[in-house]
Amino acid sequence: GENVEQHPSTLSVQEGDSAVIKCTYSDSASNYFPWYKQELGKGPQLIIDIRSNVGEKKDQRIAVTLNKTAKHFSLHITETQPEDSAVYFCAASKGAGGTSYGKLTFGQGTILTVHP
Amino acid sequence: DTGVSQNPRHKITKRGQNVTFRCDPISEHNRLYWYRQTLGQGPEFLTYFQNEAQLEKSRLLSDRFSAERPKGSFSTLEIQRTEQGDSAMYLCASSLGGAHEWGETQYFGPGTRLLVL
Repeated sequence: GENVEQHPSTLSVQEGDSAVIKCTYSDSASNYFPWYKQELGKGPQLIIDIRSNVGEKKDQRIAVTLNKTAKHFSLHITETQPEDSAVYFCAASKGAGGTSYGKLTFGQGTILTVHP
Repeated sequence: DTGVSQNPRHKITKRGQNVTFRCDPISEHNRLYWYRQTLGQGPEFLTYFQNEAQLEKSRLLSDRFSAERPKGSFSTLEIQRTEQGDSAMYLCASSLGGAHEWGETQYFGPGTRLLVL
């Protein structure tokens, strides 16, 4: 099955700096890669996602890049703010038409701390 | 609020008791997933429904676990004879089924945190 590795496990930055979180996946058939932000005691909240037919996607301060050949994708947060502090998870999935049924396989998470 | 809702938000039970959790997906979503998340880990897939049909169950879902989605709307997850190892956050997610070849956006509920004493 799919395996997703995420690094680093913790990341500490100063407000205004950029933060980068990297993930690798094992199944070349995976074609959808979302990123979720999870705050304490809450469920994961989708912040950005990308399909494998696109190499990069940006939404204001957040961007995701995908390298299908190397099977890795990254989350970039620019001009970080204290409210960006949370746990971030990457995930990968295939379509629901196959035996994977569209389930998400998550990385282990990155605790991001933005210091004022 | 038209997002995914889950009840209860917290449940404390004694080992050996049965518990049931409920998930109400986004109304037009036909796909529903259950995941389990332990402290410091990412969510792990448990089971998947398309409409009322349960199409896949993870090996994590032992015989003590059962899930239903009657009429393709809300879903319940029951754990019988709870064990301390069942303590975790149980998350529900839903998605709007479209083209089968692409993975699709899943929206998560707030989760039910279970503590088995």
